[in-house]
Amino acid sequence: GQQLNQSPQSMFIQEGEDVSMNCTSSSIFNTWLWYKQEPGEGPVLLIALYKAGELTSNGRLTAQFGITRKDSFLNISASIPSDVGIYFCAGQPYFGNEKLTFGTGTRLTIIP
Amino acid sequence: DAEITQSPRHKITETGRQVTLACHQTWNHNNMFWYRQDLGHGLRLIHYSYGVHDTNKGEVSDGYSVSRSNTEDLPLTLESAASSQTSVYFCASSDTGGGGTEAFFGQGTRLTVV
Repeated sequence: GQQLNQSPQSMFIQEGEDVSMNCTSSSIFNTWLWYKQEPGEGPVLLIALYKAGELTSNGRLTAQFGITRKDSFLNISASIPSDVGIYFCAGQPYFGNEKLTFGTGTRLTIIP
Repeated sequence: DAEITQSPRHKITETGRQVTLACHQTWNHNNMFWYRQDLGHGLRLIHYSYGVHDTNKGEVSDGYSVSRSNTEDLPLTLESAASSQTSVYFCASSDTGGGGTEAFFGQGTRLTVV
């Protein structure tokens, strides 16, 4: 099955640093979603993007829907300890197909 | 508040036994999904349903089945559990919106097959 290429696979940063991660696909997506998963929990939706070029913020998080519709980016500014977790991108190929394709995740660790 | 719940949270079973994992949502969503999560593979789709009496196979459906008799529930059955099915299972639901789909996940069921 198709999976999205998500990078980096892991990040080790210090508190207060900014974080950037991205997701790319060989095919077009109509919707991009970003999720965060904490240990022992299910993924929680952070941001949803519906238009090419769209830039959406949720607090310190900002995500962009790439203009080519084949990629998306997530930035976290001024990281804090509770940002630790695994971040997943997900894409919906076209309207009417409600299945999501998931990236393999970016594991974020904050060094004290 | 609307929610999606899975049960049990943890399950240990023996090889060859039939196991059913429950998923219940109160969002009144049309769409429900089952994923498994394994290290190195991310989330892989097992089965999904777009409405009552509708079921479809995902990318890793062998050895699993689902049925949808009402809007709220999509139980996942392992017909004859195998060690390769040891995993964390997530149920999700979404509604069919004009602008796209946002799926909401349960807390997961950790299944160990011994």
